[in-house]
Parts: sequence; C-alpha cells; structure tokens
Amino acid sequence: AQSVTQLGSHVSVSEGALVLLRCNYSSSVPPYLFWYVQYPNQGLQLLLKYTSAATLVKGINGFEAEFKKSETSFHLTKPSAHMSDAAEYFCAVSEGGGGNKLTFGTGTQLKVEL
Amino acid sequence: EADIYQTPRYLVIGTGKKITLECSQTMGHDKMYWYQQDPGMELHLIHYSYGVNSTEKGDLSSESTVSRIRTEHFPLTLESARPSHTSQYLCASSDPTGGRTEAFFGQGTRLTVV
Repeated sequence: AQSVTQLGSHVSVSEGALVLLRCNYSSSVPPYLFWYVQYPNQGLQLLLKYTSAATLVKGINGFEAEFKKSETSFHLTKPSAHMSDAAEYFCAVSEGGGGNKLTFGTGTQLKVEL
Repeated sequence: EADIYQTPRYLVIGTGKKITLECSQTMGHDKMYWYQQDPGMELHLIHYSYGVNSTEKGDLSSESTVSRIRTEHFPLTLESARPSHTSQYLCASSDPTGGRTEAFFGQGTRLTVV
C-alpha cells in the first residue's frame, strides 16, 4: 500500500521568501512521485515529477523538489515566492510504474503575502 | 498540452435526479480515472479504466457508475443524486508509453445536490 503525508495544511510566506512544502511518502516499491498545483475552481496541473532518474527535479514556475530515499521525502521548494504562487499544492505517489493510479496527500494551501 | 475536457463545469441539481458527468480526452490515452475531491480534502480515486470495456472501482466507495465504450470518452453517472454526492469530480487520463508517467487532469465538475 502507498500513502502520502503533507505536513502543514496551510503555509504562509512573504513575497520573495523561500517556499518549502513538505511531503513524505510510503511505498512498497520504488515510487513515482509528483507535485500538482490547483488554482481555485481549476483542475490539477503538473509541477514536476520524479521517475527514478535524477533525484533533484526541476519543474515549471521555478519550483524544484528533491527525492530523498533515506528520509522517504519529496519536499517542494522555490527560492523566491511570487503572488501568483498562491494555490493548493498536492503531492502524489504512484506505484508499479508510471501512469498508474495516484494516491494524493491532503494538500497544502500556500498563501503569499506582500 | 493536455486535452481533456469535462462538462459541465458547475451543476446544481435536485435530489433524486439522474446526472451524467462527461469526460473526454483527445490524446488517445488508454487509462482514465475519476477522482472525488471534497473541499479542503485530498483527491480520492473512485473509478478507473485501462481501456475500452474495462472499468474498475477505486479506493473510495462511490454510488456512481462509469462506462468506457470509446477510448476518448469516460462518463460518470449518478442514478439518483443525493446531497451527500455534493463534491468536485475530477477526470484524468494517462499513457505510460513513451516514458510519460504523469496523469493529465480536466478542470473538474463541481456538483451541488440540493
């Protein structure tokens, strides 16, 4: 069985500050890991993905995430927050290869303040 | 890039009505999914399909049903809507061939049963 834990349902940062959204996973097989972003009343958009290649993954909009097997973590970071980053962020895991069923975390609402 | 469409975007309907939520994708993906998302909560898989005439129930029990008669079309039906069905429903598709591991999501249907 696979699961995802996102610490902090709400995170607030100042514009220009570092963004750090935490994600820990459990999986019985090498996982595929994803970060998705959801803007209000929208579907999910892929930010980045880990698929057993490089452990540091770069995504869109300046976000990146590092896969740490020893810590079973896949935290999302961005060096400098922008107002447009305010959204809901979901970490997800997929077992058994890509394109399969996703298990999501509970999401983290990111607020960016002036 | 992602061509997956859901209609309607918003639906307010009375208790006891039959409803069908439409989902279509033009990417030729074999795998399609329905997720349910309650406000402020994670997404839960309720149905999935790995191809034409293939449908399976997901991790979260749902009174809805699905069909997959054509590759591009994966509608979800509620025979008798109830207030407990009020939620956001997100459709997704994926195709792991060619190294693509992520799922593509539609914009969702927000259903309110009154």
